[in-house]
Amino acid sequence: NAGVTQTPKFRILKIGQSMTLQCTQDMNHNYMYWYRQDPGMGLKLIYYSVGAGITDKGEVPNGYNVSRSTTEDFPLRLELAAPSQTSVYFCASSYSRLPQGNEQFFGPGTRLTVL
Amino acid sequence: AQSVAQPEDQVNVAEGNPLTVKCTYSVSGNPYLFWYVQYPNRGLQFLLKYITGDNLVKGSYGFEAEFNKSQTSFHLKKPSALVSDSALYFCAVRSPDKLIFGTGTRLQVFP
Repeated sequence: NAGVTQTPKFRILKIGQSMTLQCTQDMNHNYMYWYRQDPGMGLKLIYYSVGAGITDKGEVPNGYNVSRSTTEDFPLRLELAAPSQTSVYFCASSYSRLPQGNEQFFGPGTRLTVL
Repeated sequence: AQSVAQPEDQVNVAEGNPLTVKCTYSVSGNPYLFWYVQYPNRGLQFLLKYITGDNLVKGSYGFEAEFNKSQTSFHLKKPSALVSDSALYFCAVRSPDKLIFGTGTRLQVFP
């Protein structure tokens, strides 16, 4: 299994540009998550999904959109990039909400800079 | 609301010495607690979890954590630190479809 994969690894955007961060998992996990990690800070949840067709907002959803048309993919869309969105973005997945299956598997991250 | 706190931004320890990384929690109901580690330029990796049962939980890479209900703590421990343990450590609590992470503690192990 490749686990959780994210593309691209790095990206520089200009203010106002848009882009999609891709996330794919091959573990048949029904739960998927997007986090951002600012320098020296912890993780903040942007959006999450408990299954295909279902998404919900996390702590910091403004400026982002997501969709979940398949179990495997959970892309994150930035419509109008702003410097405040400069961060490292992590995608994660887990099997279920049950305690026994709730440990999350993380992708390697996408480092985004908005200038 | 569920939350965790990591009171130390950084912990320094000499190689071979025991290490402790602290975490306290605030939950309603039974706590489901986790520790993750992040190496430089990598995603987070699961270390261990407490769901129920024994208060001492053993995890990956020789780490263990002690759940203490009376002190609402879930401290991460290792009997003998390695330089390669140097990383960022996150405590987290389940809530209920997602995890709430602490702010992280940087562990620096000196040779």
